[in-house]
Amino acid sequence: EIVLTQSPGTLSLSPGERATLSCRASQSVSSSYLAWYQQKPGQAPRLLIYGASSRATGIPDRFSGSGSGTDFTLTISRLEPEDFAVYYCQQYGSSPTFGQGTKVEIK
Amino acid sequence: QLQLQESGPGLVKPSETLSLTCTVSGGSISSSSYYWGWIRQPPGKGLEWIGSIYYSGSTYYNPSLKSRVTISVDTSKNQFSLKLSSVTAADTAVYYCARQLNCGGDCWVDYWGQGTLVTVSS
Repeated sequence: EIVLTQSPGTLSLSPGERATLSCRASQSVSSSYLAWYQQKPGQAPRLLIYGASSRATGIPDRFSGSGSGTDFTLTISRLEPEDFAVYYCQQYGSSPTFGQGTKVEIK
Repeated sequence: QLQLQESGPGLVKPSETLSLTCTVSGGSISSSSYYWGWIRQPPGKGLEWIGSIYYSGSTYYNPSLKSRVTISVDTSKNQFSLKLSSVTAADTAVYYCARQLNCGGDCWVDYWGQGTLVTVSS
């Protein structure tokens, strides 16, 4: 099983700041089969990024994904009030697994 | 617009079998472009993929749950179902049904149901 470790656990930032979230895999994720999701309280997750760097339909371009192999990053260039949420990475190169999440909170 | 709706008991007794159904509307479950999956989230915790099924009936399960999980599909009703046997309190979670892209296997989730809380308690 591929274990995904997300860091930091919590990111405290102000609106307008840049957020950088990390997702590290215990072994190489084949073909950059990595996705990012956003989840707000009481809601289902929402797909942001797939294939490590492709934005899903309707996702603003302030969200970007990068990385390959075992190290992946989600960047939010300028935080909007609606971006404060929990973010999960998921690998689907082998039996899918999720990271434990990073909470982006208002400082 | 595609919609997925989970249904089933919200309370299950320990050692019994949890059963949920997901009804898909606004799209066909028989599309070759997708897998149909189940994902759960214990209260206050992260996400865990349970398994998925292709419309043909091919299934893929989380190895840690495989011995207790059965996922089936009913294309005539545009539904797929989850059965999880021998449940314990650790199986208490919000259960989501989801659509996964077929990229040569089950891949990212692009549509989620709203989720249903299942509590395991006597």
